[in-house]
Amino acid sequence: KAGVTQTPRYLIKTRGQQVTLSCSPISGHRSVSWYQQTPGQGLQFLFEYFSETQRNKGNFPGRFSGRQFSNSRSEMNVSTLELGDSALYLCASSLVRGNSPLHFGNGTRLTVT
Amino acid sequence: EDQVTQSPEALRLQEGESSSLNCSYTVSGLRGLFWYRQDPGKGPEFLFTLYSAGEEKEKERLKATLTKKESFLHITAPKPEDSATYLCAVQAANNNDMRFGAGTRLTVKP
Repeated sequence: KAGVTQTPRYLIKTRGQQVTLSCSPISGHRSVSWYQQTPGQGLQFLFEYFSETQRNKGNFPGRFSGRQFSNSRSEMNVSTLELGDSALYLCASSLVRGNSPLHFGNGTRLTVT
Repeated sequence: EDQVTQSPEALRLQEGESSSLNCSYTVSGLRGLFWYRQDPGKGPEFLFTLYSAGEEKEKERLKATLTKKESFLHITAPKPEDSATYLCAVQAANNNDMRFGAGTRLTVKP
């Protein structure tokens, strides 16, 4: 069974630009969550999608947004990039919502210059 | 607010030297506590879920235990391939997102 696939693996962007990251969950998994990982803050929850609806949102500014498609694939978008947005962005899928282990992709490493 | 604290930050062991990693948590109603392993350049890999105090789970050289306030990940006779960052996460009863600790970076020397 294929795991969670994230594309691209690496991105370099300039301040003020916007970026879109993509995530394909494990087949059959309908819940997709996004996390930001930095050395200083660790893993921080961004948002969760289930059945194409955002079900939960972390404490991030509105520049961070996402969506989920009918095939459960998900994208997240960051607009007006700031230097502090440089991080590893991880997508995770789970079979059901709540109380179910997350299965992570290997992330997209975003560098903002 | 839900909090997860892991200790130590970093741990260096000799091959075969057993030890324990700690994860203490405060959460309003624990739905589940999760352990993950993360290798450099990769996403976290799921290890265990614990749901109630007194529960234990084992996998090869790893054993996870849970009390009402903390969880331990015991590593018995570790090998160099056990070197990784171990992350603990909790899920509260009133929330679906997982709150992660900062992790323990384990290095096992041959």
